[in-house]
Amino acid sequence: DAGITQSPRHKVTETGTPVTLRCHQTENHRYMYWYRQDPGHGLRLIHYSYGVKDTDKGEVSDGYSVSRSKTEDFLLTLESATSSQTSVYFCAISESSVLGYTFGSGTRLTVV
Amino acid sequence: AQKITQTQPGMFVQEKEAVTLDCTYDTSDQSYGLFWYKQPSSGEMIFLIYQGSYDEQNATEGRYSLNFQKARKSANLVISASQLGDSAMYFCARSANFGNEKLTFGTGTRLTIIP
Repeated sequence: DAGITQSPRHKVTETGTPVTLRCHQTENHRYMYWYRQDPGHGLRLIHYSYGVKDTDKGEVSDGYSVSRSKTEDFLLTLESATSSQTSVYFCAISESSVLGYTFGSGTRLTVV
Repeated sequence: AQKITQTQPGMFVQEKEAVTLDCTYDTSDQSYGLFWYKQPSSGEMIFLIYQGSYDEQNATEGRYSLNFQKARKSANLVISASQLGDSAMYFCARSANFGNEKLTFGTGTRLTIIP
C-alpha cells in the first residue's frame, strides 16, 4: 500500500487554464510538501504545509497556490498555467525530518 | 538561501568499483539532517541514507555510506562495489531539524555504471 499518492500522473493542459494537482496521504503525517523537478535544478520547493490550513511558501512559489483542508490532502493549484510550469511535480510527506521523507510517484505536467 | 552543491553533473564508473559522489552544503543551523536519494530512470525518489549533524559516526546502509565531515560541511555518498542497477540520478539534500522541516536539494549527479 502506497502511503502517498499523487493524481493525476500525467496531464497536458493549455496555457492560461487553471490546473490542480492532488496529493493524498494515509500516514497521518504532519508535514506535506510540493516540489518541482527540472533538468539542472534538482527539486525545488514550491509550497509546504505544517498542519491543516497552515501553509507557507517555498523558493519557487510564484504562480502557485496550495490548500490543505484535511490532514490527508494537499492540493497544488496553478492559477493560470504557463509553459514555464511544464515540469514534474513531486509531493512529499514527513512527520519529522529525523524520521525521513516519503515521496509520491510524481505528476508530469505539460503546458502547451 | 542555504545552498546544497553537487559539483559532479555526471560520472562514469566501472562495474564493481567504488564511487564517491560529492556534496557540500551551507548552513547556519546547529542541528540539521543530511539525506541522499536515488532517482532511477523510472522517476521515483528512493531514500538511501540519513546522517544527523550530531551523529558521531558516519551512517552506513548496506553498500552505501556517508562520509560526513562537519567542519568542511561535506556529506559525500560512497557506494561500494557498484552494480549496473546503481545507474541513476543521485540527490543530496539537507533539512534543518526541530521545527524547520523543509528539505533542500542539490542539483544532482547522474551516475552511469559501465559493464
